[in-house]
Amino acid sequence: EAAVTQSPRNKVAVTGGKVTLSCNQTNNHNNMYWYRQDTGHGLRLIHYSYGAGSTEKGDIPDGYKASRPSQENFSLILELATPSQTSVYFCASGDWLGGREDTQYFGPGTRLLVL
Amino acid sequence: GDSVTQKQGQVTLSEDDFLFINCTYSTTTYPTLFWYVQYPGQGPQLLLKVTTANNKGISRGFEATYDKGTTSFHLQKASVQESDSAVYFCALVNAGAKLTFGGGTRLTVRP
Repeated sequence: EAAVTQSPRNKVAVTGGKVTLSCNQTNNHNNMYWYRQDTGHGLRLIHYSYGAGSTEKGDIPDGYKASRPSQENFSLILELATPSQTSVYFCASGDWLGGREDTQYFGPGTRLLVL
Repeated sequence: GDSVTQKQGQVTLSEDDFLFINCTYSTTTYPTLFWYVQYPGQGPQLLLKVTTANNKGISRGFEATYDKGTTSFHLQKASVQESDSAVYFCALVNAGAKLTFGGGTRLTVRP
Protein backbone atom coordinates (compact mmCIF):
# COMPACT_ATOMS: atom_id res chain seq x y z
CA GLU A 1 0.00 0.00 0.00
CA ALA A 2 1.33 3.42 -1.03
CA ALA A 3 2.95 5.18 1.91
CA VAL A 4 2.88 8.71 0.44
CA THR A 5 -0.29 9.77 -1.30
CA GLN A 6 -1.18 13.05 -2.96
CA SER A 7 -4.46 14.63 -3.91
CA PRO A 8 -5.63 15.67 -6.34
CA ARG A 9 -3.57 13.85 -8.97
CA ASN A 10 -4.54 16.37 -11.61
CA LYS A 11 -5.80 19.91 -11.18
CA VAL A 12 -6.79 22.70 -13.53
CA ALA A 13 -6.95 26.13 -11.90
CA VAL A 14 -7.58 29.67 -13.07
CA THR A 15 -5.14 32.51 -12.68
CA GLY A 16 -5.72 34.27 -9.37
CA GLY A 17 -7.51 31.32 -7.82
CA LYS A 18 -6.51 29.48 -4.69
CA VAL A 19 -5.10 25.97 -5.00
CA THR A 20 -4.41 23.51 -2.20
CA LEU A 21 -2.37 20.39 -2.81
CA SER A 22 -2.55 17.73 -0.12
CA CYS A 23 -0.12 15.05 0.95
CA ASN A 24 -0.52 12.21 3.42
CA GLN A 25 2.16 9.79 4.63
CA THR A 26 1.84 6.61 6.64
CA ASN A 27 5.59 6.16 7.15
CA ASN A 28 5.50 7.97 10.52
CA HIS A 29 8.36 10.12 9.26
CA ASN A 30 9.21 13.40 10.94
CA ASN A 31 10.15 15.25 7.75
CA MET A 32 8.02 16.15 4.78
CA TYR A 33 8.86 18.07 1.61
CA TRP A 34 7.25 19.71 -1.40
CA TYR A 35 9.07 19.84 -4.73
CA ARG A 36 8.18 20.95 -8.19
CA GLN A 37 9.55 19.33 -11.31
CA ASP A 38 9.87 21.19 -14.59
CA THR A 39 11.67 20.22 -17.76
CA GLY A 40 15.17 21.59 -17.62
CA HIS A 41 15.10 22.27 -13.87
CA GLY A 42 14.96 18.86 -12.29
CA LEU A 43 13.50 18.78 -8.76
CA ARG A 44 13.34 22.03 -6.81
CA LEU A 45 12.46 22.28 -3.13
CA ILE A 46 9.59 24.64 -2.28
CA HIS A 47 8.86 24.08 1.42
CA TYR A 48 9.65 21.46 4.00
CA SER A 49 8.72 20.54 7.55
CA TYR A 50 10.49 18.80 10.40
CA GLY A 51 7.35 18.08 12.36
CA ALA A 52 3.76 18.96 13.02
CA GLY A 53 3.24 22.70 13.32
CA SER A 54 6.52 23.63 11.64
CA THR A 55 7.26 24.72 8.08
CA GLU A 56 10.43 26.04 6.50
CA LYS A 57 11.19 27.75 3.20
CA GLY A 58 13.06 25.79 0.58
CA ASP A 59 14.86 27.10 -2.46
CA ILE A 60 11.86 28.52 -4.34
CA PRO A 61 9.17 29.45 -1.77
CA ASP A 62 7.82 32.63 -3.42
CA GLY A 63 4.12 32.32 -4.25
CA TYR A 64 3.65 29.24 -2.04
CA LYS A 65 2.65 28.58 1.54
CA ALA A 66 2.76 25.32 3.43
CA SER A 67 0.89 23.84 6.36
CA ARG A 68 1.75 20.81 8.53
CA PRO A 69 -1.21 20.27 10.85
CA SER A 70 -0.21 16.74 11.85
CA GLN A 71 2.58 14.20 11.51
CA GLU A 72 0.79 12.63 8.55
CA ASN A 73 -0.38 15.62 6.54
CA PHE A 74 1.43 18.38 4.67
CA SER A 75 -0.30 20.83 2.34
CA LEU A 76 1.00 23.22 -0.27
CA ILE A 77 -1.10 26.34 -0.83
CA LEU A 78 -1.07 28.64 -3.81
CA GLU A 79 -3.06 31.67 -2.65
CA LEU A 80 -3.04 33.40 -6.04
CA ALA A 81 -2.15 30.88 -8.71
CA THR A 82 -0.24 32.06 -11.77
CA PRO A 83 0.51 30.28 -15.08
CA SER A 84 4.19 30.09 -14.06
CA GLN A 85 3.13 27.66 -11.32
CA THR A 86 2.01 25.13 -13.90
CA SER A 87 4.14 22.13 -13.06
CA VAL A 88 4.24 18.67 -11.53
CA TYR A 89 4.40 18.76 -7.73
CA PHE A 90 5.83 15.99 -5.60
CA CYS A 91 5.50 15.45 -1.90
CA ALA A 92 8.03 13.35 -0.03
CA SER A 93 8.59 12.11 3.50
CA GLY A 94 11.80 11.14 5.25
CA ASP A 95 13.54 10.90 8.55
CA TRP A 96 16.91 11.36 10.21
CA LEU A 97 19.87 9.01 10.24
CA GLY A 98 23.21 9.78 11.81
CA GLY A 99 22.42 13.46 12.20
CA ARG A 100 21.50 14.03 8.60
CA GLU A 101 18.40 13.66 6.49
CA ASP A 102 17.91 10.15 5.17
CA THR A 103 16.16 8.64 2.18
CA GLN A 104 13.10 10.49 0.96
CA TYR A 105 10.00 8.62 -0.17
CA PHE A 106 8.02 10.35 -2.86
CA GLY A 107 4.35 10.44 -3.72
CA PRO A 108 3.01 9.93 -7.23
CA GLY A 109 2.82 13.63 -8.03
CA THR A 110 0.13 16.19 -8.81
CA ARG A 111 -0.03 17.69 -12.27
CA LEU A 112 -1.20 21.31 -11.99
CA LEU A 113 -2.24 23.43 -14.93
CA VAL A 114 -2.95 27.11 -14.28
CA LEU A 115 -4.84 28.80 -17.11
CA GLY B 1 27.14 25.13 -1.26
CA ASP B 2 26.71 21.51 -2.28
CA SER B 3 26.24 20.66 -5.95
CA VAL B 4 25.72 17.55 -8.06
CA THR B 5 26.50 17.40 -11.76
CA GLN B 6 25.19 14.87 -14.23
CA LYS B 7 26.80 15.65 -17.55
CA GLN B 8 24.57 13.40 -19.62
CA GLY B 9 21.07 14.72 -20.09
CA GLN B 10 20.07 11.75 -22.22
CA VAL B 11 21.45 8.28 -22.86
CA THR B 12 20.09 5.90 -25.49
CA LEU B 13 21.09 2.24 -25.47
CA SER B 14 19.96 -1.09 -26.83
CA GLU B 15 18.99 -4.02 -24.63
CA ASP B 16 21.97 -5.86 -23.12
CA ASP B 17 24.23 -2.81 -23.52
CA PHE B 18 26.43 -1.64 -20.66
CA LEU B 19 25.16 1.43 -18.81
CA PHE B 20 27.34 4.16 -17.38
CA ILE B 21 25.82 7.38 -16.02
CA ASN B 22 28.23 10.03 -14.87
CA CYS B 23 27.77 11.83 -11.55
CA THR B 24 30.21 14.14 -9.82
CA TYR B 25 29.66 16.22 -6.74
CA SER B 26 31.09 19.16 -4.87
CA THR B 27 30.85 19.52 -1.13
CA THR B 28 33.00 20.32 1.88
CA THR B 29 32.42 17.10 3.80
CA TYR B 30 31.68 13.43 3.23
CA PRO B 31 28.06 13.20 2.18
CA THR B 32 25.59 10.37 1.91
CA LEU B 33 25.06 9.67 -1.78
CA PHE B 34 21.94 8.44 -3.50
CA TRP B 35 20.68 7.34 -6.86
CA TYR B 36 16.97 7.79 -7.41
CA VAL B 37 15.04 6.45 -10.40
CA GLN B 38 11.85 7.95 -11.77
CA TYR B 39 9.69 5.83 -14.06
CA PRO B 40 7.17 7.54 -16.36
CA GLY B 41 4.20 8.93 -14.47
CA GLN B 42 5.67 8.19 -11.04
CA GLY B 43 7.59 9.95 -8.34
CA PRO B 44 11.30 9.32 -7.84
CA GLN B 45 12.16 6.24 -5.79
CA LEU B 46 15.37 5.20 -4.14
CA LEU B 47 17.57 2.96 -6.25
CA LEU B 48 20.58 2.82 -3.98
CA LYS B 49 22.29 4.68 -1.17
CA VAL B 50 25.92 4.78 -0.11
CA THR B 51 27.53 6.27 2.97
CA THR B 52 31.16 6.65 3.92
CA ALA B 53 30.80 3.42 5.87
CA ASN B 54 29.93 1.16 2.96
CA ASN B 55 31.42 2.81 -0.17
CA LYS B 56 29.50 0.75 -2.70
CA GLY B 57 25.83 0.27 -3.33
CA ILE B 58 24.24 -2.50 -5.34
CA SER B 59 20.57 -2.84 -6.17
CA ARG B 60 18.58 -4.56 -8.93
CA GLY B 61 21.76 -5.08 -10.98
CA PHE B 62 22.84 -1.44 -10.66
CA GLU B 63 25.92 -0.45 -8.76
CA ALA B 64 27.65 2.76 -7.78
CA THR B 65 30.90 3.34 -5.92
CA TYR B 66 31.64 6.26 -3.61
CA ASP B 67 34.96 7.67 -4.86
CA LYS B 68 36.15 10.39 -2.49
CA GLY B 69 39.30 11.01 -4.53
CA THR B 70 37.50 11.99 -7.70
CA THR B 71 34.25 13.02 -5.89
CA SER B 72 32.29 10.81 -8.25
CA PHE B 73 29.41 8.39 -7.84
CA HIS B 74 28.85 6.96 -11.29
CA LEU B 75 26.00 4.51 -11.87
CA GLN B 76 26.65 1.32 -13.81
CA LYS B 77 24.75 -1.71 -14.97
CA ALA B 78 26.21 -4.56 -16.98
CA SER B 79 23.20 -5.27 -19.17
CA VAL B 80 20.21 -2.93 -19.45
CA GLN B 81 16.66 -3.94 -20.26
CA GLU B 82 13.85 -1.97 -21.83
CA SER B 83 12.21 -1.79 -18.39
CA ASP B 84 15.17 0.26 -17.13
CA SER B 85 14.05 3.19 -19.26
CA ALA B 86 13.56 6.03 -16.79
CA VAL B 87 15.13 9.20 -15.46
CA TYR B 88 18.00 8.70 -13.03
CA PHE B 89 18.91 11.30 -10.42
CA CYS B 90 22.12 11.44 -8.44
CA ALA B 91 21.80 13.22 -5.08
CA LEU B 92 23.70 13.96 -1.91
CA VAL B 93 22.97 15.08 1.61
CA ASN B 94 25.18 16.43 4.37
CA ALA B 95 24.51 17.03 8.03
CA GLY B 96 22.67 20.31 8.48
CA ALA B 97 21.80 20.59 4.78
CA LYS B 98 19.02 19.63 2.41
CA LEU B 99 19.09 16.90 -0.19
CA THR B 100 20.75 18.20 -3.37
CA PHE B 101 19.73 16.62 -6.69
CA GLY B 102 21.56 16.50 -9.97
CA GLY B 103 19.70 17.50 -13.10
CA GLY B 104 18.81 13.94 -14.05
CA THR B 105 19.73 11.63 -16.92
CA ARG B 106 16.99 10.22 -19.13
CA LEU B 107 17.76 6.64 -20.15
CA THR B 108 16.01 5.15 -23.15
CA VAL B 109 16.59 1.48 -23.86
CA ARG B 110 15.55 0.23 -27.29
CA PRO B 111 14.31 -3.35 -27.54
